[in-house]
Amino acid sequence: ETGVTQSPTHLIKTRGQQVTLRCSSQSGHNTVSWYQQALGQGPQFIFQYYREEENGRGNFPPRFSGLQFPNYSSELNVNALELDDSALYLCASSLDGREETQYFGPGTRLLVL
Amino acid sequence: GESVGLHLPTLSVQEGDNSIINCAYSNSASDYFIWYKQESGKGPQFIIDIRSNMDKRQGQRVTVLLNKTVKHLSLQIAATQPGDSAVYFCAENTGRRALTFGSGTRLQVQP
Repeated sequence: ETGVTQSPTHLIKTRGQQVTLRCSSQSGHNTVSWYQQALGQGPQFIFQYYREEENGRGNFPPRFSGLQFPNYSSELNVNALELDDSALYLCASSLDGREETQYFGPGTRLLVL
Repeated sequence: GESVGLHLPTLSVQEGDNSIINCAYSNSASDYFIWYKQESGKGPQFIIDIRSNMDKRQGQRVTVLLNKTVKHLSLQIAATQPGDSAVYFCAENTGRRALTFGSGTRLQVQP
């Protein structure tokens, strides 16, 4: 196990709703990255948080937003949910923004109906 | 990475055989490449990485080969075991604080 935890494990929402997903990073890691993994595909980078600031962003609309707290845990917020937002959301923690040493959590499975 | 929807390429091997999983990457400026293993219901698990200035790197039962000329990466698993059954992804660093993942290959190990 990596020491990265995510909650909840599963979630069902309806279109138009808002959702908050949570991630606790591995001990000592100050960077959290979020990825979206659609069924049958590889993870796609959403954004990264380092020292409580967004430190890089992929091709996702502004309704995907995040936070990082002083203890380095992080939240992913998605507003105005769409059916295509149904996916596994993964967070990965690392040290000092080093994407090559990312450790992934088990993910949160989101279903939008 | 390219999308293959629900139909991941599948490699089926007999237990004890060697497995070779291939990956084509797109960014010639990538500094390093990583292979991840993802079991059902779990997040990706790091297997092995390789820097762009290397051609080969070996780990325990695994070897990664990098061919920069044709932008090709492969993962070799020796003496494949049932516990190796999973989806395998290659990922490359693209310099945007992110990893770019390939579409994945499902490895099925037959007992």
